[in-house]
Amino acid sequence: KQEVTQIPAALSVPEGENLVLNCSFTDSAIYNLQWFRQDPGKGLTSLLLIQSSQREQTSGRLNASLDKSSGRSTLYIAASQPGDSATYLCAVSPNPFSSGSARQLTFGSGTQLTVLP
Amino acid sequence: EAQVTQNPRYLITVTGKKLTVTCSQNMNHEYMSWYRQDPGLGLRQIYYSMNVEVTDKGDVPEGYKVSRKEKRNFPLILESPSPNQTSLYFCASSYLAGGQETQYFGPGTRLLVL
Repeated sequence: KQEVTQIPAALSVPEGENLVLNCSFTDSAIYNLQWFRQDPGKGLTSLLLIQSSQREQTSGRLNASLDKSSGRSTLYIAASQPGDSATYLCAVSPNPFSSGSARQLTFGSGTQLTVLP
Repeated sequence: EAQVTQNPRYLITVTGKKLTVTCSQNMNHEYMSWYRQDPGLGLRQIYYSMNVEVTDKGDVPEGYKVSRKEKRNFPLILESPSPNQTSLYFCASSYLAGGQETQYFGPGTRLLVL
């Protein structure tokens, strides 16, 4: 059964720092990997989606990489800002052409990021 | 605006009193699912639906029911809530296009069962 781990569970950094969040998964047979952001009292917002054939995706100050063979992904945030404070979740999905529960996302427990002004 | 909506957003109830959490999406997505989120456990899937009238169990279905009579709605029903169902619940929907599947999540429903 797929397991997703995120380290660290919490991270506090001063504004302006570059930082890296880590995600590891046990079964490399994934279809894609998504990074989500969760703000208190709000739902999940998809930040980046990396297909299994890709190595990285970029959106603004965010860069996500994927090393499928080693079961790892990183989310790099450049020049962090207080507005980046949130919980960041990674989730892996199996082949979406599979049926039923085989399509479900497996989530990590998240990294709670605090960017201090 | 494309979105997934859930109601209510917050709910306090007592053990055994039936409740329903509604979920609706306006994106014509076929796949919908319910997750619960608990500290240290991440999000776990409760039920999912591949399409109208097609539903099945996820990882933690005990104590929950769902129905999918219309494509846009996927309510979560707790027939006899218990304190261990106190949690944060998320509804999600997705659409498969060009091999890509991105899931859209609702804002969450925080449930407290006394």
